Amino acid sequence: RKEVEQDPGPFNVPEGATVAFNCTYSNSASQSFFWYRQDCRKEPKLLMSVYSSGNEDGRFTAQLNRASQYISLLIRDSKLSDSATYLCAVNSLDSWGKLQFGAGTQVVVTP
Amino acid sequence: DGGITQSPKYLFRKEGQNVTLSCEQNLNHDAMYWYRQDPGQGLRLIYYSQIVNDFQKGDIAEGYSVSREKKESFPLTVTSAQKNPTAFYLCASSNRDRGASTEAFFGQGTRLTVV
Repeated sequence: RKEVEQDPGPFNVPEGATVAFNCTYSNSASQSFFWYRQDCRKEPKLLMSVYSSGNEDGRFTAQLNRASQYISLLIRDSKLSDSATYLCAVNSLDSWGKLQFGAGTQVVVTP
Repeated sequence: DGGITQSPKYLFRKEGQNVTLSCEQNLNHDAMYWYRQDPGQGLRLIYYSQIVNDFQKGDIAEGYSVSREKKESFPLTVTSAQKNPTAFYLCASSNRDRGASTEAFFGQGTRLTVV
């Protein structure tokens, strides 16, 4: 089983709609969680860190569910510019220097 | 400006050659990473280093080697033993906060092609 798993998609979303997707992790000692955005042929860029209490940044909301070992990302009022691949990253206390990424979820926002 | 610099941006290698990809950071981060990304795929961890003069194998270390002689530098050598080296290589760095990693920052990547 992979340490970090994501639904690859693509999620085809009409402009203005809401889309949500999850990232599951296998190591219960995981402590740090992040969502990254990656555009085609570019490096990933941090979208947001995920805190235990959940956090929101504009149209983006991230949640952590420790009991079920997953994090989620919700995008409201989708824009065409939100089309990208969203990668989750997970780090655990037992190996803090090992940051593991999921394979990414592709989101395509259509007019 | 603080950041991570990878060079070169594009690299062509003949079969049987070793090549070294450069990664330098001036963020004063303790940890550095190398990832490989194939088209349409996610990031796979090659090697990571938590501290100078120490590094650990990731999930796909075979055919690669690294060194961490300085905090700011983490070069990756793709050896001739790597059978399918054509890929996008990403270097990243992060720090430690309360026992866990902070967010990682990435370089712009190196596209390696075997010709």
